[in-house]
Amino acid sequence: NAGVMQNPRHLVRRRGQEARLRCSPMKGHSHVYWYRQLPEEGLKFMVYLQKENIIDESGMPKERFSAEFPKEGPSILRIQQVVRGDSAAYFCASSPGSGRATDTQYFGPGTRLTVL
Amino acid sequence: QKEVEQDPGPLSVPEGAIVSLNCTYSNSAFQYFMWYRQYSRKGPELLMYTYSSGNKEDGRFTAQVDKSSKYISLFIRDSQPSDSATYLCAMTHKGGYQKVTFGTGTKLQVIP
Repeated sequence: NAGVMQNPRHLVRRRGQEARLRCSPMKGHSHVYWYRQLPEEGLKFMVYLQKENIIDESGMPKERFSAEFPKEGPSILRIQQVVRGDSAAYFCASSPGSGRATDTQYFGPGTRLTVL
Repeated sequence: QKEVEQDPGPLSVPEGAIVSLNCTYSNSAFQYFMWYRQYSRKGPELLMYTYSSGNKEDGRFTAQVDKSSKYISLFIRDSQPSDSATYLCAMTHKGGYQKVTFGTGTKLQVIP
């Protein structure tokens, strides 16, 4: 039973390039969450998505960041025109689908983005 | 002031010791509390989950919640070198969906 899958595991981009991070939720899970982890700062919520819907993007920076979870395929976190401050570990989590506060989230291994 | 405060450590203990990890929070809307363990370069994994004040035990792990003091703890008995990891407290609001707020994590090292 495969867990949450993220790819790539490591991504290096130069300033101004685009970064695309992919997340495949656990089988049967229809809710996806993205978090960013900076050194010494813990995990910060970015966005919560269901299939074809963005439910809460209150943690997303207003510019350059976008997320989607299409009907088919993985969820994508897209960062345009990356800057050095975007360097971080980005984690995806999925949950079964009730969306309630008691819905357990399962995390992927993360994508470590380095911006040169 | 951060919504959730957690001592970053590092905390070093000898094998077999009892470990106490703690978090405080300021938002009384938090009603569900979790502890995650994160090994280096890995994603967090859920250890314990509780929503009521009091203690919840699972093997060597005990989670304790004191909502009146806005204080939660995780105790690890008979600590093992394999427990060496960063421990993240996390919490969510009552109702609605699970927008989780994490502490910064405490790095634990258990020395053989």
